[in-house]
Amino acid sequence: LAKTTQPISMDSYEGQEVNITCSHNNIATNDYITWYQQFPSQGPRFIIQGYKTKVTNEVASLFIPADRKSSTLSLPRVSLSDTAVYYCLVGDLHNFNKFYFGSGTKLNVKP
Amino acid sequence: DSGVTQTPKHLITATGQRVTLRCSPRSGDLSVYWYQQSLDQGLQFLIQYYNGEERAKGNILERFSAQQFPDLHSELNLSSLELGDSALYFCASSVSGQGQSGNTIYFGEGSWLTVV
Repeated sequence: LAKTTQPISMDSYEGQEVNITCSHNNIATNDYITWYQQFPSQGPRFIIQGYKTKVTNEVASLFIPADRKSSTLSLPRVSLSDTAVYYCLVGDLHNFNKFYFGSGTKLNVKP
Repeated sequence: DSGVTQTPKHLITATGQRVTLRCSPRSGDLSVYWYQQSLDQGLQFLIQYYNGEERAKGNILERFSAQQFPDLHSELNLSSLELGDSALYFCASSVSGQGQSGNTIYFGEGSWLTVV
């Protein structure tokens, strides 16, 4: 089971680009990397998922190096509403692996 | 809106009591997951069901049990409740079918349980 390591917290200012890195040294061949955003007292919300290289959607980009032992979530031009906890998950639902959430990264966006 | 529906949204009960939390997965999703999140804590995986069968078990107490019904909705039963069981309980669902590796888990908005 791939364990993930993320920074506990990060500070940023409105309009800046934020990069949150997750380490997952024991990632398995069939594992995907998924990032979630969680606001207080709300359910985690899917942000982005990838397997290798780069994935981009309307809210974020995910960069995965060739060895896949880490990944970086990039949030362009953050706003105050991006203040939340961001979780990195590694796993493969197809094989019914248990998805364990790490402690996440608390992003604090300041005006 | 993720499409995962949980009821009730809030529940207050006394120690020693038993409660049932209900979850309706997204249309078409076969897997249901239950997570517990205590105040300022991370998400703890409890249990997963796939098409009515238990598939994976996490840190679920013996006082807790779950099941998934033929219509794919799921219930989490919490008994002999203790103060420490006060938490936000999330249900999530995914397709998790054959040939669908890497698909996504979608979470409901949770059920707040307060044990007094």
